[in-house]
Amino acid sequence: GENVEQHPSTLSVQEGDSAVIKCTYSDSASNYFPWYKQELGKRPQLIIDIRSNVGEKKDQRIAVTLNKTAKHFSLHITETQPEDSAVYFCAASPEDSGNTPLVFGKGTRLSVIA
Amino acid sequence: GAVVSQHPSRVICKSGTSVKIECRSLDFQATTMFWYRQFPKQSLMLMATSNEGSKATYEQGVEKDKFLINHASLTLSTLTVTSAHPEDSSFYICSARDALRGTSYNEQFFGPGTRLTVL
Repeated sequence: GENVEQHPSTLSVQEGDSAVIKCTYSDSASNYFPWYKQELGKRPQLIIDIRSNVGEKKDQRIAVTLNKTAKHFSLHITETQPEDSAVYFCAASPEDSGNTPLVFGKGTRLSVIA
Repeated sequence: GAVVSQHPSRVICKSGTSVKIECRSLDFQATTMFWYRQFPKQSLMLMATSNEGSKATYEQGVEKDKFLINHASLTLSTLTVTSAHPEDSSFYICSARDALRGTSYNEQFFGPGTRLTVL
């Protein structure tokens, strides 16, 4: 089955700096890679996703890159703000019958220091 | 957007009792729902995949007789924790897919979670 590794587990950056979180996956059949932001005690919120037919996707300060050959994908947050502080999870799954669940990484606790 | 609700948001129960958690898709139909458990400072661990009208598929190590899942309609799945023990205390989160988006779209929408505390 799919295995998703995520690094780093914790990340502290100064406000205004960039943050990068990296994930690798094992199943070459995976082609859907979402990123979720979770604040303490709340539900995970989808912030951006990418499918295997593209290599990069950007939404304002957030971007995701995908390298299918190397089986890794990364989240980039630029001009970080204190409200970006949260736990971020990457996930992977194949888009097939829809019964396939997401496999999550272990999460990265991002702290943005004002 | 797609909204998923969960009830209750918090529950405290005595050891040995059963607790039912409901997961509802409010504005879309969900043929498939997923139940996750999240311990403090850990990731979401999939417990089971719930399919409308059929038996749930449980992940390895999850006792199906302890965690009963029923997906009786396209908008409701329930998770019942039977004979709960303190080690079952956790944050339980469901997610759902929108059936009408078709099989090529795997975005999942999460419920707000249920914090279970077993005394």
